[in-house]
Amino acid sequence: AAGVIQSPRHLIKEKRETATLKCYPIPRHDTVYWYQQGPGQDPQFLISFYEKMQSDKGSIPDRFSAQQFSDYHSELNMSSLELGDSALYFCASSLWTSGNSEQFFGPGTRLTVL
Amino acid sequence: GQQVMQIPQYQHVQEGEDFTTYCNSSTTLSNIQWYKQRPGGHPVFLIQLVKSGEVKKQKRLTFQFGEAKKNSSLHITATQTTDVGTYFCAGLDNYGQNFVFGPGTRLSVLP
Repeated sequence: AAGVIQSPRHLIKEKRETATLKCYPIPRHDTVYWYQQGPGQDPQFLISFYEKMQSDKGSIPDRFSAQQFSDYHSELNMSSLELGDSALYFCASSLWTSGNSEQFFGPGTRLTVL
Repeated sequence: GQQVMQIPQYQHVQEGEDFTTYCNSSTTLSNIQWYKQRPGGHPVFLIQLVKSGEVKKQKRLTFQFGEAKKNSSLHITATQTTDVGTYFCAGLDNYGQNFVFGPGTRLSVLP
């Protein structure tokens, strides 16, 4: 079965650079979530989209933005990168309208800011 | 805002021993989910609990949702080395659409 795809899997950037992370949800899933997970930490919710519209916002810095496109893939754009942005970034998708909001997580993108 | 806490933070058990992790929310939850994350992996959904007092079992795993829908527990009977990982609870309150994850309980199983 198709899973959530994230790209790239690893990304190394310098401070003050920008980064774009991509997420391809499971086909027909209507909701996409972005999480940030620091070393030894729990996933921190950043933002979510339902049917391509932003549905909820968590602890996402103003330097970050995200959107979901007509083909349902989502991108997380990160600007003016800081050392503290180094983390694993997970995308998850679910079929909210099914009544079962199980989230399927992608493999994550490991971002390292030098 | 909603806060989700988990105890213990770490648990080391001998293979064959039982293990329990507890999850507590500062607000009443509409539902709660449990995830397992192996070292170097991504969170994998285990189960969702919706009803007050609900108990669900998956082989050696028993999940419980409190009567007040503010706490939950995950119990593993006779742990195996394959149970190693971090177990997260994630709570959805009655107002939002995003899940708040607890800090997780890291389980290590000694053979």
